[in-house]
Amino acid sequence: QIQLVQSGPELKKPGESVKISCKASGYTFTDYAMHWVKQAPGKGLKWMGWINTYTGKPTYADDFKGRFVFSLEASASTANLQISNLKNEDTATYFCARGLPGYRVMDAWGQGASATVSS
Amino acid sequence: DVQMTQSPSYLAASPGESVSISCKASKSINTYLAWYQEKPGKTNKLLIYSGSTLQSGTPSRFSGSGSGTDFTLTIRSLEPEDFAVYYCQQHNEYPLTFGSGTKLEIK
Repeated sequence: QIQLVQSGPELKKPGESVKISCKASGYTFTDYAMHWVKQAPGKGLKWMGWINTYTGKPTYADDFKGRFVFSLEASASTANLQISNLKNEDTATYFCARGLPGYRVMDAWGQGASATVSS
Repeated sequence: DVQMTQSPSYLAASPGESVSISCKASKSINTYLAWYQEKPGKTNKLLIYSGSTLQSGTPSRFSGSGSGTDFTLTIRSLEPEDFAVYYCQQHNEYPLTFGSGTKLEIK
C-alpha cells in the first residue's frame, strides 16, 4: 500500500539546520509530485510548496523562500526538506504529502515530523 | 493569496446526526475545493476534491457542494470514526491555502 514514512523528531538550537526525510513506497515515486505542509503547535495547515519528482524542480510559497530547500534522492524514493538558520517560529510538525495527478490536492500524507527549535 | 474562512471552529454532535461545515473563499475558486480529515494517530485523509468528487475510499455519507466562493461539507448519519478535525483547501491557484479547521466532537 502507499506509504510516506517521515524521519523522527528533531531538537535544534536557533541558527542550526535540520533535514527532514520522507520515504515513499507502494507507488512509482517519480509519477507523483510531493508537497510539503507546515503545522505550528495548535495551529492549522500551511502549504510550503512542492517538488516535481520527475524533474527535481522545486516551487516554494513566498513565506518559505530562502531558508527552505526541497530535494530528492529519487533512487531511494525519498524527498527531503532542509531548513537552515533555524528560528523559534520554525517549531512545527512538517508533513510531506503526495500530489494527486492533475489536481493540486494531496492524496496521501506522511505521519509528520516534528522539529523543535529552542536555545 | 486566497483566504479560506471555515466555520464553525467547533461543532458538537451525536452519532447518527447530520452536520455541515462551511468554507468561504476570499475570491472565486470555481469548484476547486478539497476537504481533509485529521485524526490523532492517523495520517491526514483526502475526502473530497473539486468541490464534490469523493476520493476513492471516502464513505458515501460524506458529500461536498458549492462553487465560486461558498462551499459545504456535509456528513450524514455520523459514525463514531467521523469525530475529527476537518480542513478545507482551495486548489484553484498557487499558493494553496487551507481553512483554519473545524473540530467535530461527540456531544
